[in-house]
Amino acid sequence: EPEVTQTPSHQVTQMGQEVILRCVPISNHLYFYWYRQILGQKVEFLVSFYNNEISEKSEIFDDQFSVERPDGSNFTLKIRSTKLEDSAMYFCASSETRTGANVLTFGAGSRLTVL
Amino acid sequence: ILNVEQSPQSLHVQEGDSTNFTCSFPSSNFYALHWYRWETAKSPEALFVMTLNGDEKKKGRISATLNTKEGYSYLYIKGSQPEDSATYLCARNTDKLIFGTGTRLQVFP
Repeated sequence: EPEVTQTPSHQVTQMGQEVILRCVPISNHLYFYWYRQILGQKVEFLVSFYNNEISEKSEIFDDQFSVERPDGSNFTLKIRSTKLEDSAMYFCASSETRTGANVLTFGAGSRLTVL
Repeated sequence: ILNVEQSPQSLHVQEGDSTNFTCSFPSSNFYALHWYRWETAKSPEALFVMTLNGDEKKKGRISATLNTKEGYSYLYIKGSQPEDSATYLCARNTDKLIFGTGTRLQVFP
């Protein structure tokens, strides 16, 4: 069964460093998402991406965050200068159509620890 | 209700027990409700997507109902097994998923 893959599974970084989280969505999916879960809190929406541009972003997704699809297969989330509060599990997801009755397929997540 | 809320936060049951938990959500501007099952270190896995008031869906021993007028959905597990142990997330759709905090289910043999 097709799956969304994410790398790395766990990254430890120093505060202020740049981090890139990578995702390979399902090949025929057109909509891509990043969510995150800070330990003990809800899974939160960060950003949605379609047709090579951001469709929607949350308040969390400030200027420190960026996304791109550099080569038509990978979908990356970059955090420019990490803060302690960026420590979380980051989930990538993709779907065939815009979220609605359509199911999102999630990756297993990338755990980011900022020291 | 402004947010998606789930209860209980955690649940411990014996193998063979049936169990249920609740998802509450804003009933205005409803479009769809999603249920996901999330095992530790794995991807959240879609269980159901429900759109119509009165919808009932079933997948093996797991079923769900939906009341869009009053803004709640129930998830039922009949005859719980240890492999059912996971966090069960519901999410309300707008044009993105808004998740509840999840119900963490532990089934003891």
